[in-house]
Amino acid sequence: NAGVTQTPKFRVLKTGQSMTLLCAQDMNHEYMYWYRQDPGMGLRLIHYSVGEGTTAKGEVPDGYNVSRLKKQNFLLGLESAAPSQTSVYFCASSPAGRSWAEAFFGQGTRLTVV
Amino acid sequence: GNSVTQMEGPVTLSEEAFLTINCTYTATGYPSLFWYVQYPGEGLQLLLKATKADDKGSNKGFEATYRKETTSFHLEKGSVQVSDSAVYFCALLTMEYGNKLVFGAGTILRVKS
Repeated sequence: NAGVTQTPKFRVLKTGQSMTLLCAQDMNHEYMYWYRQDPGMGLRLIHYSVGEGTTAKGEVPDGYNVSRLKKQNFLLGLESAAPSQTSVYFCASSPAGRSWAEAFFGQGTRLTVV
Repeated sequence: GNSVTQMEGPVTLSEEAFLTINCTYTATGYPSLFWYVQYPGEGLQLLLKATKADDKGSNKGFEATYRKETTSFHLEKGSVQVSDSAVYFCALLTMEYGNKLVFGAGTILRVKS
């Protein structure tokens, strides 16, 4: 009954450090997404994937990379963290091909870059 | 492109007051519309949805009607409770452009007892 699981839940990075956020889903969903949530700006799409081995850019992709080597996992990487990347990051998944289907969200990762 | 505009918050109400949170959208094609809710410290969860014009979504006393003529999907509840305090997001999903969910900025609701 896990749904969408994100790790870690909290992280503090120094400027210039790198890290990877992991998202895992156990619902066999084709689509996966990474969003960032900032005050007053709602959720903005960073990258998304419509299937294993595929990724695409969202609204705010700069400074991030992603990989979807396995259907159940979607990784978000920060190669050289900047204070502007301080945010709460949410992963989501949804089934393909159905516009009425809901997206399931993880609990979020609170990232602070100092 | 596709976009969602929500009323700015925070919205502060007393318990048992009537709630309206306005949402309007711009989209190509025929989107599905959603309201998601985020309780403190948690991820988003689906509150209700509507997939075509004139559909009414409802859940937990909340409801919203898909109005194509006014491109709106306003959220309403007749009598709010303290436990409804949360952030509410309006969102749309269209099969064009890669089946992406597009969110509004979110509206903070605070209900006082």
